[in-house]
Amino acid sequence: QTVVTQEPSFSVSPGGTVTLTCGLSSGSVSTSYYPSWYQQTPGQAPRTLIYSTNTRSSGVPDRFSGSILGNKAALTITGAQADDESDYYCVLYMGSGILVFGGGTKLTVL
Amino acid sequence: QVQLVQSGAEVKKPGASVKVSCKASGYTFTSYGISWVRQAPGQGLEWMGWISAYNGNTNYAQKLQGRVTMTTDTSTSTAYMELRSLRSDDTAVYYCARLVVVVAATPPYYYYYMDVWGKGTTVTVSS
Repeated sequence: QTVVTQEPSFSVSPGGTVTLTCGLSSGSVSTSYYPSWYQQTPGQAPRTLIYSTNTRSSGVPDRFSGSILGNKAALTITGAQADDESDYYCVLYMGSGILVFGGGTKLTVL
Repeated sequence: QVQLVQSGAEVKKPGASVKVSCKASGYTFTSYGISWVRQAPGQGLEWMGWISAYNGNTNYAQKLQGRVTMTTDTSTSTAYMELRSLRSDDTAVYYCARLVVVVAATPPYYYYYMDVWGKGTTVTVSS
């Protein structure tokens, strides 16, 4: 069974830039997996940030961007702010209607 | 505005069933699907499956096959998720999310993503 992998944790300084990645236990992530990214703060529902690799969802600031870097999907936050401190999840479309979440990355801004 | 309103918290005994509702408003219900996602305490998000509100087609995560049923009532723009034979590890917050289906020019020719989320329903399974 293919596992979607994410860094368990990451830290960034206020105003800094951070790139979180989303990979596969076997194989490479390409645009054909249509990666999407979601942000979740504790006790809240997830919020959609990015879909189809690099399309920002409505109302999402352009500090958030998505891409493919090497063999992984990537979420880059430029000019990190305190309220970006959240858990970030990627989702890959595996075909045949199947979606799979990564394990999530806990981002600390300090 | 687009909104998904979920039913209230539930406490169930092991072996029982639970049915969570998700009422949609602010958009044409049958033009989208509804996906269900759960999150156990302190854990990550887990995709459970989705249902097309257009034709009722479903797609369930393999680990839940046989225990989960997703349905919709288009007359009330409401989606339902029923989970049977509950176990303690089904204790979680259950979220519904609007599922967008997009036609693509290249294989796999369709893709999906979730764009609007409900606030979640806490289901506790305890004896």
